[in-house]
Amino acid sequence: NAGVTQTPKFQVLKTGQSMTLQCAQDMNHEYMSWYRQDPGMGLRLIHYSVGAGITDQGEVPNGYNVSRSTTEDFPLRLLSAAPSQTSVYFCASSELDGGAGNTIYFGEGSWLTVV
Amino acid sequence: GNSVTQMEGPVTLSEEAFLTINCTYTATGYPSLFWYVQYPGEGLQLLLKATKADDKGSNKGFEATYRKETTSFHLEKGSVQVSDSAVYFCALSDGGATNKLIFGTGTLLAVQP
Repeated sequence: NAGVTQTPKFQVLKTGQSMTLQCAQDMNHEYMSWYRQDPGMGLRLIHYSVGAGITDQGEVPNGYNVSRSTTEDFPLRLLSAAPSQTSVYFCASSELDGGAGNTIYFGEGSWLTVV
Repeated sequence: GNSVTQMEGPVTLSEEAFLTINCTYTATGYPSLFWYVQYPGEGLQLLLKATKADDKGSNKGFEATYRKETTSFHLEKGSVQVSDSAVYFCALSDGGATNKLIFGTGTLLAVQP
């Protein structure tokens, strides 16, 4: 009953450090994405993928890289962390059958603080 | 572009009170509409959804009706409980290749015993 699993749950980084947030799903979903959640701004899409080998940018992609080498995994890389990247990060997945009603499943979140 | 506007919180209610959280949207075409709930320290869970006009989504005593004429999807519950305390997000999806959800800013609900 795992669903979408994110690690780590909490992380503190120093400015300029790099790190990778891991995301895995066991539902064989084609679609995966990363959002960040900031106070008063809801959730904003960082990057998304519609299948292995295919990724694209969302609303706020700067400072982040992604790759999708397998259906299951979709890691998010922070190349050189900045305090503005302090946020809660959510990985999400869903089926992708062309309809707007697909339920998107979220992981439990990763709380990242950049000092 | 597409957008979602929901009432600002926090909303503070006594147990067994009636709840309404307003949500309106702007979108081209025929989006699907969602309410997600986030309990303290947890991720987002789908609460309910509606995929076409006049559909009513319902779950755990919560309801919302997709009103195309007023571009609204207000969340209601007849009698809230302390355990309903959470942040509620309204969202829309217009489908397509991105399958992107556009979220409102969230409304914090605090229910007091």
